[in-house]
Amino acid sequence: AQSVSQHNHHVILSEAASLELGCNYSYGGTVNLFWYVQYPGQHLQLLLKYFSGDPLVKGIKGFEAEFIKSKFSFNLRKPSVQWSDTAEYFCAVRGNYQLIWGAGTKLIIKP
Amino acid sequence: DTAVSQTPKYLVTQMGNDKSIKCEQNLGHDTMYWYKQDSKKFLKIMFSYNNKELIINETVPNRFSPKSPDKAHLNLHINSLELGDSAVYFCASSQDWSSNEQFFGPGTRLTVL
Repeated sequence: AQSVSQHNHHVILSEAASLELGCNYSYGGTVNLFWYVQYPGQHLQLLLKYFSGDPLVKGIKGFEAEFIKSKFSFNLRKPSVQWSDTAEYFCAVRGNYQLIWGAGTKLIIKP
Repeated sequence: DTAVSQTPKYLVTQMGNDKSIKCEQNLGHDTMYWYKQDSKKFLKIMFSYNNKELIINETVPNRFSPKSPDKAHLNLHINSLELGDSAVYFCASSQDWSSNEQFFGPGTRLTVL
């Protein structure tokens, strides 16, 4: 069955700390992977996406993610987080006709 | 310009009532979606329409009925509202059914009392 697993439900960091959010997927077809962000009280926005090519993908606001096919992973990283990065982060993989979503990781940045 | 818009943004109603949520996209996309996000922030696909035709119909109570009058609109009607229907409902659209990127509306927070 197709699934997406996000390892951490809650992450609390101080400003300037480095961030890595885990995402593992289970899907047998060609993989298209996404990270979406939902700031408090707002709708989901695309952070970055991977379709093919360079497995290191750069997104908006200094985020990047690395696709590691052998590990079925697509972890999200940022070298130095800011208070404004406080949000919920969702990993998703393209399935048949739809996106398959992870449960989300709530990131809280302490000022 | 708002790409995907939903109305209302907030909806508070009593159990047993019937209500509708409207969604419109001005992106020229063919495919539209309804998602339910529960209190734990888990996103669940409910329906998807491609060019006014239903292509995804997940296990959702038949009190929920989507309607797509044209490909720019996908409305969600809910009959006999229950407490468990309280959630945030997101509309989204994509270029077509095979397209990878979805664009989300601002969400409708439904509270059933």
